[in-house]
Amino acid sequence: DAKTTQPNSMESNEEEPVHLPCNHSTISGTDYIHWYRQLPSQGPEYVIHGLTSNVNNRMASLAIAEDRKSSTLILHRATLRDAAVYYCILRGWNSGNTPLVFGKGTRLSVIA
Amino acid sequence: NAGVTQTPKFRVLKTGQSMTLLCAQDMNHEYMYWYRQDPGMGLRLIHYSVGEGTTAKGEVPDGYNVSRLKKQNFLLGLESAAPSQTSVYFCASRRGHETQYFGPGTRLLVL
Repeated sequence: DAKTTQPNSMESNEEEPVHLPCNHSTISGTDYIHWYRQLPSQGPEYVIHGLTSNVNNRMASLAIAEDRKSSTLILHRATLRDAAVYYCILRGWNSGNTPLVFGKGTRLSVIA
Repeated sequence: NAGVTQTPKFRVLKTGQSMTLLCAQDMNHEYMYWYRQDPGMGLRLIHYSVGEGTTAKGEVPDGYNVSRLKKQNFLLGLESAAPSQTSVYFCASRRGHETQYFGPGTRLLVL
């Protein structure tokens, strides 16, 4: 699976939108973009994933660049409970049982 | 539906002692994984299993052994614990290309 690059940390004010970037310039045409997050003292949890089109769910939105070399996870209104480490991960559609590979992610701090 | 559970939640070992960490999932997932996470670091894969009776090495397998005798359980063993194995251990499971679910973690301190 191709490599991703994320900022080490970001800070946001509560109730404001947060845009978490991820660069993946070597992404292949069959790689899905997955986002997981890890709240303090917990295991990671799934947030969202997409291939080409922008995706929305109850937790977040995923905006994917037209050339797919970057993507942005959008939290529309950050809350204190959104403070976590966010991981951007690429997985090929045909990667089968290949484990998820985690980088260091982006540590998001939310200020009240 | 409990998801992925891990036992124990916390353990202190002395150097050279052995122990087994248990991971259980009730979602009938084929794939199960053991990761470790050191302070300020991302997760690193130790071992994984693609089905009952199968295991494979991950990125950092040395010092650990695993077994998958039943589909719902994945055991991680430390035969002779070392201080370098002080970490938080996470188990995860998945079906096919679906979402990967993680357990709450086991905090291990080796003195």
